[in-house]
Amino acid sequence: QVQLQESGPGLVKPSETLSLTCTVSGVSIRSNFWSWIRQPPGKGLEWLGCINYSGNTNYNVSLKSRLTMSVDTSKSQVSLKLTSVTAADTALYYCARGGKSYFSSWGLGTLVTVSS
Amino acid sequence: DIVMTQSPDSLAVSLGERATINCKSSQSVLYSSDSKNYLAWYQHKPGQPPRLLIYWATTRESGVPDRFSGSGSGTDFTLTISSLQAEDVALYYCQQYYSSPPTFGGGTKVEI
Repeated sequence: QVQLQESGPGLVKPSETLSLTCTVSGVSIRSNFWSWIRQPPGKGLEWLGCINYSGNTNYNVSLKSRLTMSVDTSKSQVSLKLTSVTAADTALYYCARGGKSYFSSWGLGTLVTVSS
Repeated sequence: DIVMTQSPDSLAVSLGERATINCKSSQSVLYSSDSKNYLAWYQHKPGQPPRLLIYWATTRESGVPDRFSGSGSGTDFTLTISSLQAEDVALYYCQQYYSSPPTFGGGTKVEI
């Protein structure tokens, strides 16, 4: 079955760059767009953006200036970089299958805390 | 952005009874050209990934029990669990994908 696994540092210092990777298995990474979604503690879900196998991206305009997504088809991975992080970027970050659509598979998520 | 508002925030339902969760969008998510409502429902249990239950407002994802059903159109939607089972205790979210960015409701906690 489709599995998505997020990975990356659990702690990032303010003003630094948050980097996460999502490894996709059970389906070709070429088959879909892949999204990043986050949930700050005690708050709602926020779609950050999506990317497909050829590198076409769509970003949430609220984060567009700080956000970069990339894809490595050879490793079946999508990645996220968020620059100039603050405490407001502390969240559980999910990788999900789907673009500007519904999301048919999700990872377990990885918690990223922004703190010095 | 389209704002999704769910109600109630939480509800307690006896085993075997009906659970009803409401979701309201700040603008219509019905696309006139295809007559589809761009609305999905998810179930989220602790320690598990969120699970897609319903898309196009009424279409059950493969493998989802038929006690789960979605209804509604335009701006008002409902997720119904016809006969609550113990394994249905979870958070439930609605999400619109009519316009970018996709946005989610705040969630409804269903308890026994």
